[in-house]
Amino acid sequence: QQQVKQSPQSLIVQKGGISIINCAYENTAFDYFPWYQQFPGKGPALLIAIRPDVSEKKEGRFTISFNKSAKQFSLHIMDSQPGDSATYFCAASIGGTSYGKLTFGQGTILTVHP
Amino acid sequence: SQTIHQWPATLVQPVGSPLSLECTVEGTSNPNLYWYRQAAGRGLQLLFYSIGIGQISSEVPQNLSASRPQDRQFILSSKKLLLSDSGFYLCAWSRGGVQETQYFGPGTRLLVL
Repeated sequence: QQQVKQSPQSLIVQKGGISIINCAYENTAFDYFPWYQQFPGKGPALLIAIRPDVSEKKEGRFTISFNKSAKQFSLHIMDSQPGDSATYFCAASIGGTSYGKLTFGQGTILTVHP
Repeated sequence: SQTIHQWPATLVQPVGSPLSLECTVEGTSNPNLYWYRQAAGRGLQLLFYSIGIGQISSEVPQNLSASRPQDRQFILSSKKLLLSDSGFYLCAWSRGGVQETQYFGPGTRLLVL
């Protein structure tokens, strides 16, 4: 129940295209859903996050779509650029006394071809 | 602004040797601190978290231990390394209390031979 399932494992997109990464969860107690971006040899960096009281959040070219009834959320990268090539992780946490412990998906390696 | 440091950046150790990885956070007080391991560049596994000095919670039984001797210092240790301990170790912090947003350090790449 604590798992977050992420797909696809890898994704190749042409420059200017849309990259879509999906995540699904089972635990309905999750109430915070961040996405992290990680470049090789670096620590993950927070990209964007959403809470279940909204269905969509947009920051620049990055959009999270959230479907509470389906227990799914996704990251859309519009106008994908070669500099977006990285590994993307979705995650989820339970508020309150969980002290922010995150459960991560397995990651998606995104390659954007010029 | 807050900064998180980890050292060393890279470490090669023989099987059976001890380990000590250090993480420090600047610019905040009483943070929550976390140790993760990432194998083969994929998937982050939470190893330990701490909500205060001397307060450590272990998430996964293993060959490792953690300590928090000071408010902004988090140490990952092992008495005897195993081959399976190889990986990329990441420290993270979040603001104290129930704040969820975590900020990661640059990581330590450990290779056990």
